[in-house]
Amino acid sequence: EVQLVESGGGLVKPGRSLRLSCTTSGFTFGDYDMSWFRQAPGKGLEWVGFIRSKVYGGTTEYAASVKGRFTISRDDSKSIAYLQMNSLIIEDTAMYYCARDTYYFDKWGQGTLVTVSS
Amino acid sequence: EIVMTQSPATLSVSPGERATLSCRASQSVSSSLAWYQHKTGQAPRLLIFGASTRATGIPARFSGSGSGTEFTLTISSLQSEDFAVYHCQQYNNWPPITFGQGTRLEIK
Repeated sequence: EVQLVESGGGLVKPGRSLRLSCTTSGFTFGDYDMSWFRQAPGKGLEWVGFIRSKVYGGTTEYAASVKGRFTISRDDSKSIAYLQMNSLIIEDTAMYYCARDTYYFDKWGQGTLVTVSS
Repeated sequence: EIVMTQSPATLSVSPGERATLSCRASQSVSSSLAWYQHKTGQAPRLLIFGASTRATGIPARFSGSGSGTEFTLTISSLQSEDFAVYHCQQYNNWPPITFGQGTRLEIK
């Protein structure tokens, strides 16, 4: 069974950093691109960014709202994707999800909550 | 950036009735359109990709149609477990990948 589990969320002050993990199982992680999303309270889903599989160079793309502050990486040996979030702002408060990327997103985790507040 | 607009924001339907949800793209996305079901506290669930292809395990009461800029998700006979928020997503022109703001399907 394919599973994705996000972790690492919590309460953090503006300007600080947080790293989220997406631990996966049940599929060959290295064969897939992986994406991160978020959903702020009362808002729709927002794509945060993605990382290509190593076959396609392991390169990354980001939404304009997080570019330069967030970094996505992957450890294929552990089947984990990471979202490093720096210089956090209030507007980054959201539930964060990871998903397996096949242009659409066929498997998702249940999310981890990030709250940015002083 | 392609803007996706869903309507209505909230749809109230009785169990057993048909629900029709709409999604419009600001420019053509061909058939590169997916629909997701999302319940609070759960992982989003892929329903439809390629505008009309049901994902694995999705019941036949869910159907998708449309191409270009106009898309529809139809649930033919609503079951209690179908009341949720539904999102459309385009993957024809990215980055960025973009979603509609969601339609909340509630029990009438």
